[in-house]
Amino acid sequence: RKEVEQDPGPFNVPEGATVAFNCTYSNSASQSFFWYRQDCRKEPKLLMSVYSSGNEDGRFTAQLNRASQYISLLIRDSKLSDSATYLCVVRDNNDMRFGAGTRLTVKP
Amino acid sequence: GAGVSQSPSNKVTEKGKDVELRCDPISGHTALYWYRQRLGQGLEFLIYFQGNSAPDKSGLPSDRFSAERTGESVSTLTIQRTQQEDSAVYLCASSFRDRGAGELFFGEGSRLTVL
Repeated sequence: RKEVEQDPGPFNVPEGATVAFNCTYSNSASQSFFWYRQDCRKEPKLLMSVYSSGNEDGRFTAQLNRASQYISLLIRDSKLSDSATYLCVVRDNNDMRFGAGTRLTVKP
Repeated sequence: GAGVSQSPSNKVTEKGKDVELRCDPISGHTALYWYRQRLGQGLEFLIYFQGNSAPDKSGLPSDRFSAERTGESVSTLTIQRTQQEDSAVYLCASSFRDRGAGELFFGEGSRLTVL
């Protein structure tokens, strides 16, 4: 089993749609969780951290379920500029473990 | 510039040749990582440097791969006797906090193609 697993997609959605990505991790002792965004042929950049109580940043909402070892990212009112690959990242002991990413394409 | 700088941005080499990739982290960042990303794949951890501590080399895929870092500045990743499966984007990232604790800032990567 991979340490961090994501649905690779692709997710193709129209502008304005709500889309959700899921991520599961294998180590129950993992400590910190993040979503990174990677545009095509670009480097990954931090989108948001994921806190135990859940957190929101504008149109983006991140949730953590430690019991199920599950992280989610919800994007509301999606924009064309949201098209990218979204990487789930888990801090596991002293390592940052990256999922393979979920590709999103938002279409007009 | 203020970001992580990597060079070369693109490298095409023949199988069996050695290549050297360079990373200039953000000034003041003590932690430096190298990752490999094959086409359509996720990031694969290679090596981690933190200040003057011994590096974590656990992700290096073979003894053909090695990396050095001068203090808390420039790092070089060397691949000897390159193979076609080494073709990938090699990403360097730095962080001002201890491993895993802070945001990773990535360079734009060095795209390696082994013919």
